[in-house]
Amino acid sequence: ETGVTQSPTHLIKTRGQQVTLRCSSQSGHNTVSWYQQALGQGPQFIFQYYREEENGRGNFPPRFSGLQFPNYSSELNVNALELDDSALYLCASSSGTSGTNEQFFGPGTRLTVL
Amino acid sequence: AQTVTQSQPEMSVQEAETVTLSCTYDTSESDYYLFWYKQPPSRQMILVIRQEAYKQQNATENRFSVNFQKAAKSFSLKISDSQLGDAAMYFCAYRSASGRAQKLVFGQGTRLTINP
Repeated sequence: ETGVTQSPTHLIKTRGQQVTLRCSSQSGHNTVSWYQQALGQGPQFIFQYYREEENGRGNFPPRFSGLQFPNYSSELNVNALELDDSALYLCASSSGTSGTNEQFFGPGTRLTVL
Repeated sequence: AQTVTQSQPEMSVQEAETVTLSCTYDTSESDYYLFWYKQPPSRQMILVIRQEAYKQQNATENRFSVNFQKAAKSFSLKISDSQLGDAAMYFCAYRSASGRAQKLVFGQGTRLTINP
C-alpha cells in the first residue's frame, strides 16, 4: 500500500509568482486536506477536498485554491506569493470525512518565497 | 473557534525515563476527538494516540498513554521508557465530531529531546 506522497520536496519562488503543489493520496482514500506549517508553529488548516469538491476552508485568502482529481490526487495553488507564504505545506488523506477517519500525512513541500 | 495550547516549547528526558507533555484546549462542543502527533526531523507527521471525548477511559498505545480530563479541558501525553527514537516535535490536536470538514486544530508543539 502506497502512502501519501507530495511533490516537489523543496521549492524556491519569488514574491508575486504562482506555485502549484501536488499530493497523491493513499490508496483507497477519497479525502485530502491541506495544511500550512510555518517555521516553529503547528500546522494550520487551509482546506479539504472530498470527492473532487471543496468540503471546508480555513482562514486563508482566495489566492489559495485547490483541485481534486478523479483519482483523488490533489493540487494546492497559491497566486501572488508573499514572503509570509514561506512554510512547509502538508497534505493529509483519509477514507472519508467522518471524525473516526484517521488522516495520514505526506512528508510535505518546503516552499521558500524570496 | 476551538484552540489548542501547548505551554512547553521544549522538554528533555533521560533515556528510559518517563516524560509528560501537556496540552489544554478550549471548545464549547461536547463531542470531539483529541490526538497526539509526532513529527520527527524527517517531517512526516505520524499519529501517536487518539482519544474520543465520549470515552472516559484514557487511551493507551504501548509506551504512550494519555491523561484526559474533560472538565478541565486537559489532554497530556505520557511517554514511558523513553527511547532515542522518541525525539521529535509533538503536536496536540483537536477535531470536532461534527461539521463538514474534519479539520485538525493543532497546538504549537513541544520539542522533545532524549538524552542518552
